[in-house]
Amino acid sequence: SYELTQPLSVSVALGQTARITCGGNNIGSKNVHWYQQKPGQAPVLVIYRDSNRPSGIPERFSGSNSGNTATLTISRAQAGDEADYYCQVWDSSTWVFGGGTKLTVL
Amino acid sequence: EVQLVESGGGLVQPGGSLRLSCAASGFTVSSNYMSWVRQAPGKGLEWVSVIYSGGSTYYADSVKGRFTISRDNSKNTLYLQMNSLRAEDTAVYYCARLRGSSHFDYWGQGTLVTVSS
Repeated sequence: SYELTQPLSVSVALGQTARITCGGNNIGSKNVHWYQQKPGQAPVLVIYRDSNRPSGIPERFSGSNSGNTATLTISRAQAGDEADYYCQVWDSSTWVFGGGTKLTVL
Repeated sequence: EVQLVESGGGLVQPGGSLRLSCAASGFTVSSNYMSWVRQAPGKGLEWVSVIYSGGSTYYADSVKGRFTISRDNSKNTLYLQMNSLRAEDTAVYYCARLRGSSHFDYWGQGTLVTVSS
């Protein structure tokens, strides 16, 4: 089965750029999606198909995908961006999530 | 406005059964791919099951043979019948709409299932 690897935690200073990675075998050949989840809340889609933002998601959120790594980039990080972030792909009629990354804004 | 509202969670003994419901509004369940995703306490997201618009169903290996996904088109509602429940099934269960076979674009607020004696 396909596996996605994320760092457990990432820290970023207020106003700086955070990058959260998602590793997988030849993940660049797949569509990668990203979700934000705040404590006690349901996940929210922030990036779909590698680099597309749903309506209502700030332009500060962007994504890229190449080779064995996909990356979610959050520019000008705000306190409200502090959350868990999950990457996800579709593989052989199953939907696979990464283990999640806790983003801390310092 | 798209809304998904889950219900049916609760405390159940190991080996017991529970049926979760997800009432949808703002779109037609039967015209979309619909899924259940769960999250054990303090853990990450785990896909559980999907039902395609054509009616085909798929399950994670961890629940295959024990869980059944279905829908009631007249009620615009998605269901998850869970049998032979185990302690490791304890989780918040979310229903979510799938955009094709791609990503989950709308999620419900979740319902907590606790399997314990």
